Amino acid sequence: GAGVSQSPSNKVTEKGKDVELRCDPISGHTALYWYRQSLGQGLEFLIYFQGNSAPDKSGLPSDRFSAERTGGSVSTLTIQRTQQEDSAVYLCASSFGQGTPYSNQPQHFGDGTRLSIL
Amino acid sequence: AQSVTQPDIHITVSEGASLELRCNYSYGATPYLFWYVQSPGQGLQLLLKYFSGDTLVQGIKGFEAEFKRSQSSFNLRKPSVHWSDAAEYFCAVVSLYNQGGKLIFGQGTELSVKP
Repeated sequence: GAGVSQSPSNKVTEKGKDVELRCDPISGHTALYWYRQSLGQGLEFLIYFQGNSAPDKSGLPSDRFSAERTGGSVSTLTIQRTQQEDSAVYLCASSFGQGTPYSNQPQHFGDGTRLSIL
Repeated sequence: AQSVTQPDIHITVSEGASLELRCNYSYGATPYLFWYVQSPGQGLQLLLKYFSGDTLVQGIKGFEAEFKRSQSSFNLRKPSVHWSDAAEYFCAVVSLYNQGGKLIFGQGTELSVKP
């Protein structure tokens, strides 16, 4: 497709389980971002990829959160031992980031994965 | 630290009326600014962006925004609101303190449109 694709669109799981969220960016976009949207905290940055490397992981809230990107394309965000406070919408975005210190390329967002922890 | 403030959490306007959504940012130099819109259950769609040059920028769906350095503001406007404009609107600035251009968002303004 032409846009950023995220799967699943909804995920309900029990506290303590691990979850994997997938993001398929727009073809040719080298930069990929994960954000979290929750009622109390608004939209928060989690991690940034340039190609397969992650120069900025400063937004990951704990060591239970990790992410990887393979082949410069698909990215997976993994949350281990989920807690109720992890319930949120996880948004992925991609752009033509060129690896400069900062990028003015607009970020294009997927529809997100709504994660609910019971 | 950079921050973005959207003072209005919720605004209601009548269809056909004009709209202005406020956004203030804190940053010492000229920032890169964006407005995004989010409809329920969907991701964020870019409305417009400001990098430099003309301080009045035009976007999609009839929206425009004006950058005012003296007021540290980047307010979004539309002359005549349509019912389909009901959504949540986010102002954002690119963080210049980390590589990669992550976005710092305001808390959002929810727009309701009365018939």
